[in-house]
Amino acid sequence: EDKVVQSPLSLVVHEGDTVTLNCSYEVTNFRSLLWYKQEKKAPTFLFMLTSSGIEKKSGRLSSILDKKELFSILNITATQTGDSAVYLCAVDQHSGAGSYQLTFGKGTKLSVIP
Amino acid sequence: ETGVTQSPTHLIKTRGQQVTLRCSSQSGHNTVSWYQQALGQGPQFIFQYYREEENGRGNFPPRFSGLQFPNYSSELNVNALELDDSALYLCASSKTGTRNIQYFGAGTRLSVL
Repeated sequence: EDKVVQSPLSLVVHEGDTVTLNCSYEVTNFRSLLWYKQEKKAPTFLFMLTSSGIEKKSGRLSSILDKKELFSILNITATQTGDSAVYLCAVDQHSGAGSYQLTFGKGTKLSVIP
Repeated sequence: ETGVTQSPTHLIKTRGQQVTLRCSSQSGHNTVSWYQQALGQGPQFIFQYYREEENGRGNFPPRFSGLQFPNYSSELNVNALELDDSALYLCASSKTGTRNIQYFGAGTRLSVL
């Protein structure tokens, strides 16, 4: 069975700290891995990674994929209270039907306290 | 550019009833996917519509059905509601070339009593 596992499930840090969120996966026909941020309801897209070793960066956020060891990490530096959210990791797989379905982990709930 | 919009925001139904949820895709997007998110869980794929046809389905029973219209908007229908159907239903849209990058709406919170 395909699965995506995120760790930790929750994390509390102080403003200014650096955090690392983990995502491991076991899926057939891997195509890409995506990170989303979910603050209240709508998950918002952060990164898509398809190749190993390529680090994606957007301001204080960065992410890397290791296709050999089947995991990805999301780093957030100099955390701010606005970073408080659930961070979701999702894997997209090739399918016979030609669909693009995402398999999500349970998420990591990050709380940043002043 | 208009984002993904869903209606209604909240809905309360009783067991056995039927419900229809609606989704307008983001401008320029031709693919719509529906997900169910239970409390404390990640979203779970229900099905996807592309060019008005279902082209992928997750592990959901046939009482979950959908439609996509020529303007790429979509509906999710659930018949014979069960208590376990209580969840946040998310719609996501994407476009040809990057159909894996899906943009989500704010969802419909369905409560089944």
